[in-house]
Amino acid sequence: GQNIDQPTEMTATEGAIVQINCTYQTSGFNGLFWYQQHAGEAPTFLSYNVLDGLEEKGRFSSFLSRSKGYSYLLLKELQMKDSASYLCAVRTPHGLSGGSYIPTFGRGTSLIVHP
Amino acid sequence: SQTIHQWPATLVQPVGSPLSLECTVEGTSNPNLYWYRQAAGRGLQLLFYSVGIGQISSEVPQNLSASRPQDRQFILSSKKLLLSDSGFYLCAWSVGQGVDTQYFGPGTRLTVL
Repeated sequence: GQNIDQPTEMTATEGAIVQINCTYQTSGFNGLFWYQQHAGEAPTFLSYNVLDGLEEKGRFSSFLSRSKGYSYLLLKELQMKDSASYLCAVRTPHGLSGGSYIPTFGRGTSLIVHP
Repeated sequence: SQTIHQWPATLVQPVGSPLSLECTVEGTSNPNLYWYRQAAGRGLQLLFYSVGIGQISSEVPQNLSASRPQDRQFILSSKKLLLSDSGFYLCAWSVGQGVDTQYFGPGTRLTVL
């Protein structure tokens, strides 16, 4: 089976930095996504990592270590609008032959940013 | 640019009633299409995916079915809804190659009473 773990909830202060961790144990790996989902809305794409290392995109960065089955999303200069759920998703094989790689999602981390 | 539509936005249905949710994509050809369900406090569960017209792969053996009658249309159906079918249903599309990022529709909030 596929196992993707994230903390359920985190809180942080406006202007601070927060790191959201994701660990995974999957049968197959072909990339890891981070999505942001505000309450009642659809998830929106934040980042993608397939090789080890750090990917930076503005205030958001994502890191991957394939050997450790570990990723994190780093949010800098937190704003109130960053309060949302952050979903970690690993592309894993699907179908009878395992030929299709489709994201399997963790349960998400609810981030609360307070003034 | 590409857009994805879902309807209805919200739906309240009695147990045992049928269901039909529709998803359409504009601005792209031959997309991969997906149906996910998100129950309260849980992650996104993949229900079905399709790599082409008439090609449906099922991930969970439930009382749900999916069809793809046209290239950019994906329909989720049920003949008899269960209480456990309540949730937030999300349709997504991707190009089917490369990074293959999924882009999600606005979702349908289904409540089964």
